Amino acid sequence: GAGVSQSPSNKVTEKGKDVELRCDPISGHTALYWYRQRLGQGLEFLIYFQGNSAPDKSGLPSDRFSAERTGESVSTLTIQRTQQEDSAVYLCASSFQGTGLGGYTFGSGTRLTVV
Amino acid sequence: DAKTTQPPSMDCAEGRAANLPCNHSTISGNEYVYWYRQIHSQGPQYIIHGLKNNETNEMASLIITEDRKSSTLILPHATLRDTAVYYCIVKASGGSYIPTFGRGTSLIVHP
Repeated sequence: GAGVSQSPSNKVTEKGKDVELRCDPISGHTALYWYRQRLGQGLEFLIYFQGNSAPDKSGLPSDRFSAERTGESVSTLTIQRTQQEDSAVYLCASSFQGTGLGGYTFGSGTRLTVV
Repeated sequence: DAKTTQPPSMDCAEGRAANLPCNHSTISGNEYVYWYRQIHSQGPQYIIHGLKNNETNEMASLIITEDRKSSTLILPHATLRDTAVYYCIVKASGGSYIPTFGRGTSLIVHP
């Protein structure tokens, strides 16, 4: 597609439920990033995928958070047993590593509300 | 990677130039300066980048000091739609990199 697509755009879930967030990167982009942004805060790095290399999971806040990516395509971020503090906008970005001048293209995010 | 420092907020009158500063005093020779902005409820959007020469595109101009320790993003004729958070980050050419977005500068353009 022309841009990074995220779904759903909004998600309201009950505390304790699991949620899956999806990201479709730009075709050909080898790198994919997930960020979390709480209201009024900056972007908090969660996880980074680069091609077929092992992902950098150093930003995941707890073992309730996990993410997968199949090759260089779609990625899903899963949050298990959601808590109210998980409420945030979850942003996905992709980029083409190696060009030296490639920027990062972000999706519009998924707004997660845990009630 | 070099860290950046930006003022937390600025304001500008509509139609006037908005000049947003960024300090990156520890920048390395192979690191580019990138600017992004985030309009409320949207993902960050790329604006412009540069290495050492001044750059201009349809959105903005980027002025990088000769020693490359600071830069200024210029929106020549700010509009209300330019109200956003502006992020300055530095990135080396190629290789793996996880961009770090701090608090940025919240720019408010007022009528």
